[in-house]
Amino acid sequence: GNSVTQMEGPVTLSEEAFLTINCTYTATGYPSLFWYVQYPGEGLQLLLKATKADDKGSNKGFEATYRKETTSFHLEKGSVQVSDSAVYFCALRLYNFNKFYFGSGTKLNVKP
Amino acid sequence: NAGVTQTPKFQVLKTGQSMTLQCAQDMNHEYMSWYRQDPGMGLRLIHYSVGAGITDQGEVPNGYNVSRSTTEDFPLRLLSAAPSQTSVYFCASTGTSGGAVAGELFFGEGSRLTVL
Repeated sequence: GNSVTQMEGPVTLSEEAFLTINCTYTATGYPSLFWYVQYPGEGLQLLLKATKADDKGSNKGFEATYRKETTSFHLEKGSVQVSDSAVYFCALRLYNFNKFYFGSGTKLNVKP
Repeated sequence: NAGVTQTPKFQVLKTGQSMTLQCAQDMNHEYMSWYRQDPGMGLRLIHYSVGAGITDQGEVPNGYNVSRSTTEDFPLRLLSAAPSQTSVYFCASTGTSGGAVAGELFFGEGSRLTVL
């Protein structure tokens, strides 16, 4: 089947710490991969995406690389800020089907 | 750019009442969908549509009804509200042809529903 698994939270870090949120997937076809961010009380916003193997998505200092060999799309940021506190969702889309699969979300708390 | 617009943003209902959550998008997207988000449950797909006149059930369709008479609009109807339908509802859309086949879902800001 198709699914997305991401690390459970909450993840608590101090400001300027390095962030990794793990995401692995299973897919029967060739997926696009996404990271969404949800700030408190808001909807989901696209953070970054990658549409084929070895692509690197990046935005606002966050990066993730589409690794087909390990079926992973881990989110990283070198130095987090308090303003990065949010819930992060990993997701995939199958090309041939209009279907999206979301991970359960990882809450990130960044302390000053 | 308006994107995906949901109304209302907040609603309180009594058990048994009915209501409609509105969703409109101005991006000419073929695909539209409704999710609910509950604490600790992530996102769950309620219904979706791949074009006007075409709808299908998602993961948790019971108690909800949808229709798609135009490309732009995809309303979600609660037929007889129950406390278990207290949740935050998100409408989302995307393209399904050309370069959009690999693209992301665009989300509305959400509608917070409380059923007493």
